[in-house]
Amino acid sequence: AQKITQTQPGMFVQEKEAVTLDCTYDTSDPSYGLFWYKQPSSGEMIFLIYQGSYDQQNATEGRYSLNFQKARKSANLVISASQLGDSAMYFCAMGWTNFGNEKLTFGTGTRLTIIP
Amino acid sequence: DVKVTQSSRYLVKRTGEKVFLECVQDMDHENMFWYRQDPGLGLRLIYFSYDVKMKEKGDIPEGYSVSREKKERFSLILESASTNQTSMYLCASRSSGLAAFEAFFGQGTRLTVV
Repeated sequence: AQKITQTQPGMFVQEKEAVTLDCTYDTSDPSYGLFWYKQPSSGEMIFLIYQGSYDQQNATEGRYSLNFQKARKSANLVISASQLGDSAMYFCAMGWTNFGNEKLTFGTGTRLTIIP
Repeated sequence: DVKVTQSSRYLVKRTGEKVFLECVQDMDHENMFWYRQDPGLGLRLIYFSYDVKMKEKGDIPEGYSVSREKKERFSLILESASTNQTSMYLCASRSSGLAAFEAFFGQGTRLTVV
């Protein structure tokens, strides 16, 4: 069965430092996508970045990059030069197709707090 | 601007009541999802639908049912609400055909069952 694991319930990071949020996954499906979402205290879910299982290069979006290590089944989110506004819950998710049904499953999340 | 709209932001219901949570999307997406979010447990999939009148159980379907009579609308039904169903409920929609498509979320419904 497909599974996403986030082992860091909470992290505290000094402003302007880089942050790595861990995500490992388990699937036997060769075709899948990995996503990261941010949920600030307002509760909205904000899509950050996507990585496809066949993508050769790590995805980047501004200050966000995804460190994709397929053999290790990990998809860590890296935030460079953290800002106070980065304080939020972060969720890793995996999407795949199963006979036309397209599931999307999430991890338990990491609460990131940026310290001034 | 793409939009997923949930009918209520906050809801208080009594134990044993039948509860309807409504979700509407305006993006013509094939897939729609209902999750519940609890501290420490992340987002857990209750049900999802990949087409009109089609539904699949997620990881925690017990105590819930769903309805999708029109493509844009996906309803979550609590047949007889219980206090352990007090939670934040999130609806999402997603296009079909490529793993790359991200999901779009509604603003959430915080349900309290007393």
